Amino acid sequence: NAGVTQTPKFRILKIGQSMTLQCTQDMNHNYMYWYRQDPGMGLKLIYYSVGAGITDKGEVPNGYNVSRSTTEDFPLRLELAAPSQTSVYFCASSRTGRDTIQYFGAGTRLSVL
Amino acid sequence: EDQVTQSPEALRLQEGESSSLNCSYTVSGLRGLFWYRQDPGKGPEFLFTLYSAGEEKEKERLKATLTKKESFLHITAPKPEDSATYLCAVHEGGKLIFGQGTELSVKP
Repeated sequence: NAGVTQTPKFRILKIGQSMTLQCTQDMNHNYMYWYRQDPGMGLKLIYYSVGAGITDKGEVPNGYNVSRSTTEDFPLRLELAAPSQTSVYFCASSRTGRDTIQYFGAGTRLSVL
Repeated sequence: EDQVTQSPEALRLQEGESSSLNCSYTVSGLRGLFWYRQDPGKGPEFLFTLYSAGEEKEKERLKATLTKKESFLHITAPKPEDSATYLCAVHEGGKLIFGQGTELSVKP
């Protein structure tokens, strides 16, 4: 049982480059989330989705985009990468919003230089 | 504004030395408080959910308690393998609001 899978695990980008962080879950969860984690700052919600075709902004959405075409996949797109986007990114999923035991992937460590 | 604050930021214990981690919150109507454990280089792993004041949950050496304003994670006779960052979060509008975490180190 894979749970939540994120790729890549590590990535270095140059300023202005773009990339997509991949997230896939095999638990048939409706809700999916993207967080970023900076040292000593906890987890900040970037975007979330309550089902295929439905997405909404979280606390820190600027500089990011998402799409949700299937229940399983929730990619995060970075356009015109900036040093401020250097962080560790976590994808999570939960069965519903009320049953909010969120299950996390192992993370993607991104450096923008 | 809803807030979650954890203390201390870091805690160093000797093996067997019991202690507590604190999570204080200000939300308009608590719908659940969650504790997660995070090991270095990994994603958070769910530990407990608490829903109402007075509720307690236990797992091995960990016990979580909840009042109207805060939650405690009590660690009894910790072992080195309990070393990790412990995160608390509150449920608000289908989303979780996380505290900044407490980094626990248990030395043998």
